[in-house]
Amino acid sequence: DGGITQSPKYLFRKEGQNVTLSCEQNLNHDAMYWYRQDPGQGLRLIYYSQIVNDFQKGDIAEGYSVSREKKESFPLTVTSAQKNPTAFYLCASSIRGRDSTDTQYFGPGTRLTVL
Amino acid sequence: AQSVTQLDSHVSVSEGTPVLLRCNYSSSYSPSLFWYVQHPNKGLQLLLKYTSAATLVKGINGFEAEFKKSETSFHLTKPSAHMSDAAEYFCVVTWYSSASKIIFGSGTRLSIRP
Repeated sequence: DGGITQSPKYLFRKEGQNVTLSCEQNLNHDAMYWYRQDPGQGLRLIYYSQIVNDFQKGDIAEGYSVSREKKESFPLTVTSAQKNPTAFYLCASSIRGRDSTDTQYFGPGTRLTVL
Repeated sequence: AQSVTQLDSHVSVSEGTPVLLRCNYSSSYSPSLFWYVQHPNKGLQLLLKYTSAATLVKGINGFEAEFKKSETSFHLTKPSAHMSDAAEYFCVVTWYSSASKIIFGSGTRLSIRP
């Protein structure tokens, strides 16, 4: 089956620890994204990558880091510098259609809780 | 400036009655518009999208939306609500060329009364 997988589904972290969230896609999409979702709010863009070995900061990149060494993978590291990391994290990928529209497809999400 | 506004944070309807979730946008460019649905603790699922073709867009699960340029609206409708429609719905606007130019609405929670 084609799709986007995120792991783990739930993650607990102690304050001061770095933690890495996994995102893998087998859709052959060029672009990948990380979003953060807080209760009752929409999604905010953390980082995105349009091609391998290249990525750009989104609206709330502070305290996060990413890498894009392979087309299929776009891991997100939440560092100890992120002041309020407890949230639901969503990964997405997209492909440009014939109509030049980027349609995003989402993974199931990882819920991170800082203890 | 580009923006998207979902006019209702919460909508409650009875099962079998029509659903209307409202979305207004502001864009200096020709926008692409999407509706996504999110069930609790799940990712977002694409319901439908408008690019530049037909203004009435049909999506999955009986939902449809109409792009009205004069009103800068893209409201989501369904003739008859089902209990399984209870979820959070997001209106999204994008415009061509830059991945950073994607804006999500704040969401509308749809509740269905038996």
